[in-house]
Amino acid sequence: ELKVEQNPLFLSMQEGKNYTIYCNYSTTSDRLYWYRQDPGKSLESLFVLLSNGAVKQEGRLMASLDTKARLSTLHITAAVHDLSATYFCAVDGYTQNYGGATNKLIFGTGTLLAVQP
Amino acid sequence: DTGVSQNPRHKITKRGQNVTFRCDPISEHNRLYWYRQTLGQGPEFLTYFQNEAQLEKSRLLSDRFSAERPKGSFSTLEIQRTEQGDSAMYLCASSFWASTVPYEQYFGPGTRLTVT
Repeated sequence: ELKVEQNPLFLSMQEGKNYTIYCNYSTTSDRLYWYRQDPGKSLESLFVLLSNGAVKQEGRLMASLDTKARLSTLHITAAVHDLSATYFCAVDGYTQNYGGATNKLIFGTGTLLAVQP
Repeated sequence: DTGVSQNPRHKITKRGQNVTFRCDPISEHNRLYWYRQTLGQGPEFLTYFQNEAQLEKSRLLSDRFSAERPKGSFSTLEIQRTEQGDSAMYLCASSFWASTVPYEQYFGPGTRLTVT
């Protein structure tokens, strides 16, 4: 059974600091997604990583994927308060079904990020 | 088309009652997924459709849960004889899938269910 673990579960950081969120998964997958969720809201897609070594950057966030280590990282540079949210990684839980690949997402438990002024 | 929509956004019901939620996917998307999210957890897969066919159901989906997607457009998720443990956010997502083409799931705003 595919499992996805994130750490830390909670991260309090000061504005202007850098930090990294880690996402480990237990079986082979070459598709990984990062989502952001604000309190009471739905999921906003941040990054789609589709191959080993993939790196994507958007503003102060950068995500990378190492499929051999089964590890993805989300790096935050010079954090600002607006980045406060819960961040989820999700792995493509590919299963072959009679209808084709399921591609259901298996989510980590999330990292609650609080950026303090 | 502005994205995935879900109705209602909030539902409060008494234990034992039946509830039904609706999801309207992005129009050109052929796949539709249902997830459930409880407080402090990541979303968990419940079931998915490709067009009108329901192709996989999670073991989380007990016999009290049923989902449909008539004509491959909108989908409904019904919970019969609700229990307090059903209280959660129910999220719908849609995507366009074709062979091995990389895709992305787009999530709706969710329906928050509270069972009293």
